[in-house]
Amino acid sequence: GDSVTQMEGPVTLSEEACLTINCTYTATGYPSLFWYVQYPGEGLQLLLKATKADDKGSNKGFEATYRKETTSFHLEKGSVQVSDSAVYFCALRLGAGSYQLTFGKGTKLSVIP
Amino acid sequence: EPEVTQTPSHQVTQMGQEVILRCVPISNHLYFYWYRQILGQKVEFLVSFYNNEISEKSEIFDDQFSVERPDGSNFTLKIRSTKLEDSAMYFCASSFRRELFFGEGSRLTVL
Repeated sequence: GDSVTQMEGPVTLSEEACLTINCTYTATGYPSLFWYVQYPGEGLQLLLKATKADDKGSNKGFEATYRKETTSFHLEKGSVQVSDSAVYFCALRLGAGSYQLTFGKGTKLSVIP
Repeated sequence: EPEVTQTPSHQVTQMGQEVILRCVPISNHLYFYWYRQILGQKVEFLVSFYNNEISEKSEIFDDQFSVERPDGSNFTLKIRSTKLEDSAMYFCASSFRRELFFGEGSRLTVL
């Protein structure tokens, strides 16, 4: 079945360090790909998305590129801030007929000053 | 900014008891969802609801589960007879079209 695998956490970085959170997927067809973020005490929020191969999603300094050849959608940020501390979830959604998201386990990021 | 709200934030119950988790979706949204996350595991889809009926459900969503939109504003998930393995964080979400907005989650602990 369809699945998402993301790197295990927790990840601890110093402020201004580079971030990469790996995400790979297995899916039939051509999914849309998403990164969601959950800040402490809040719900899941859409961070960015890409709907087809080679699309790059970006938001708040984060980027991820839909790589069909490697079935990956790695999340990157060049310089993290303390306020980026959160849990990050990679997810996919299959074609037009479904609203169902398939999530990875989540990666907890802690950024220390 | 409109948001999805869930109650309770945490509920502890005894095995075999009925539990109702409540959600107030964003007011103009048309689609409603429940997801859950067992500790240390993935966020899993349970059910989606549109036009007063279930539109999709997963294998997890068996006869022990039901959803209802009783009054046009609330969206509830009922677990009829809780089991230990129902302990999880339950997330409600709503959408107008394709982008889902999630609540903070309700943590259910079954003893």
